[in-house]
Amino acid sequence: DTGVSQNPRHKITKRGQNVTFRCDPISEHNRLYWYRQTLGQGPEFLTYFQNEAQLEKSRLLSDRFSAERPKGSFSTLEIQRTEQGDSAMYLCAYERGSPSGNTIYFGEGSWLTVV
Amino acid sequence: AQKVTQAQTEISVVEKEDVTLDCVYETRDTTYYLFWYKQPPSGELVFLIRRNSFDEQNEISGRYSWNFQKSTSSFNFTITASQVVDSAVYFCALYRSSNTGKLIFGQGTTLQVKP
Repeated sequence: DTGVSQNPRHKITKRGQNVTFRCDPISEHNRLYWYRQTLGQGPEFLTYFQNEAQLEKSRLLSDRFSAERPKGSFSTLEIQRTEQGDSAMYLCAYERGSPSGNTIYFGEGSWLTVV
Repeated sequence: AQKVTQAQTEISVVEKEDVTLDCVYETRDTTYYLFWYKQPPSGELVFLIRRNSFDEQNEISGRYSWNFQKSTSSFNFTITASQVVDSAVYFCALYRSSNTGKLIFGQGTTLQVKP
């Protein structure tokens, strides 16, 4: 169930460059999440939006990271002055509610390699 | 503290064997959800199951079954008659419904099913 589309799927960039990832919901989702997954680890929460409001940011999100969700639709995650430690997969996720509870589904992810 | 522990880093089995992936969690929340996700080599995270904290019924879906035991804070996942296509990294995750609803993941268990 890929209710979000992520672009680009792969990005190789030189250290110090800026990169931006985009997440486009296929249908309306109130909550959108960004996670980061490094090799050999589980995904880690970065931030989330309730409509256009950014309600929480992890301490993992340094000043070089910024996320937006204008008009509560698509979301972008920008990394400025990339470092090699930023190499990871960046996952967008959305939440779908049901009477029995909420489920979080993930997009296909955007792989970032900083060289 | 909220934490998910998957003590098995890697498991290797031969096709048709049964295999159980362990998951132990810690939370002080009284209401929470537990998830299992599968991450095949292609990289996308595939949702498998959600279990509510107030529902301790075990669940079976085809070759997959889940054993939720609140008394031991465990949510184990069993694959019966494993197949090569089951080879993937499996993540257990805790969803804190009390505030942001973000997922806390374990480190994952890599399952290799050999023909």
